[in-house]
Amino acid sequence: DTGVSQDPRHKITKRGQNVTFRCDPISEHNRLYWYRQTLGQGPEFLTYFQNEAQLEKSRLLSDRFSAERPKGSFSTLEIQRTEQGDSAMYLCASNPLGGGGFFGQGTRLTVV
Amino acid sequence: SQQGEEDPQALSIQEGENATMNCSYKTSINNLQWYRQNSGRGLVHLILIRSNEREKHSGRLRVTLDTSKKSSSLLITASRAADTASYFCAWDNYGQNFVFGPGTRLSVLP
Repeated sequence: DTGVSQDPRHKITKRGQNVTFRCDPISEHNRLYWYRQTLGQGPEFLTYFQNEAQLEKSRLLSDRFSAERPKGSFSTLEIQRTEQGDSAMYLCASNPLGGGGFFGQGTRLTVV
Repeated sequence: SQQGEEDPQALSIQEGENATMNCSYKTSINNLQWYRQNSGRGLVHLILIRSNEREKHSGRLRVTLDTSKKSSSLLITASRAADTASYFCAWDNYGQNFVFGPGTRLSVLP
């Protein structure tokens, strides 16, 4: 499968726990994006990388959210001290410069 | 908010009819894309139209772009039940990110 891969697909966690999601982009794409989507809404931009550089992170929802792309390949999104309001679908996308975005299937987070 | 609008929010049609969805955005763009999302699934990229293009076709899909009005439309011809999904437009504001509209929920009734 040469598409964008996200893991896990579903995550249930207790409030206060930390969670980490992984995204493997299409290998030749140098840009990688993270989005959050709540029910009935369009995806909301969180952050993006060009290669290993995080070029925009001001949209991360709070300082509990952080993302890395250490070698310019896969990326991780971590949420610390999860809250019930963090329950959402977290989507990853990659694209070549100037091209369309290819999205993964997302990670659905439920905080109980 | 950087988000634009999509119109209508929901659309219900009979199989075989055409479906038209509209999208308006607020900034200058490099390109605009349309995506489909089935319930609980990821987004599927349908078509990309660049700012210097006015119309683009892909199978049963036709997309138009009017940069003077900051608007785009997606036409699905001869709709099928399998076209039932949410459709989102997203614009690329010169590489910063893709900004999504709120989406149109399309129901195609058999």
